[in-house]
Amino acid sequence: GQNIDQPTEMTATEGAIVQINCTYQTSGFNGLFWYQQHAGEAPTFLSYNVLDGLEEKGRFSSFLSRSKGYSYLLLKELQMKDSASYLCAVMDSNYQLIWGAGTKLIIKP
Amino acid sequence: DAGITQSPRYKITETGRQVTLMCHQTWSHSYMFWYRQDLGHGLRLIYYSAAADITDKGEVPDGYVVSRSKTENFPLTLESATRSQTSVYFCASSVSDSGNTIYFGEGSWLTVV
Repeated sequence: GQNIDQPTEMTATEGAIVQINCTYQTSGFNGLFWYQQHAGEAPTFLSYNVLDGLEEKGRFSSFLSRSKGYSYLLLKELQMKDSASYLCAVMDSNYQLIWGAGTKLIIKP
Repeated sequence: DAGITQSPRYKITETGRQVTLMCHQTWSHSYMFWYRQDLGHGLRLIYYSAAADITDKGEVPDGYVVSRSKTENFPLTLESATRSQTSVYFCASSVSDSGNTIYFGEGSWLTVV
């Protein structure tokens, strides 16, 4: 079966750095997405990785290792507004998105 | 730029009633999707559409019906609502299916009592 694993919940301190991991087992691979979802709102796109390596976008970076079936989202200089759920999704060989259950990130002052 | 809009945003209905959730996008995206999101689960695909008059089942299609007579609209109908269909429903769209970003509507919160 196809599976995406990410931690259920993480806590971090304002101004710090946090890394949210995602491991996957899917039928083929056509890219990995990270989305941010604030409580009661729709998911919004953060990043897309299809090749190995690190993609940096401001305070957020996303890393992919296809051989290990592993990705992480790195958030720097955490702000209170970063409190949200972070969803990892992998596009399989049929171009279907397989979603993880999401990681709820709690930021403390 | 209206983007992708859903209606109603909130709905309470009774078991056995038919309910239709509307979805409208202004980007002329080819692909449209319906997901449900429940606590402890990732987003689960109900149905998707590659173009007008082309629809296909996703992971959890039972109890749902879709249509797509126009590119911009993709309504989702619960033919006879059950309590297990209480959920948040997200409509989404993308330019194509090959690695393009999916954009989500604001969501429709449905409670079946």
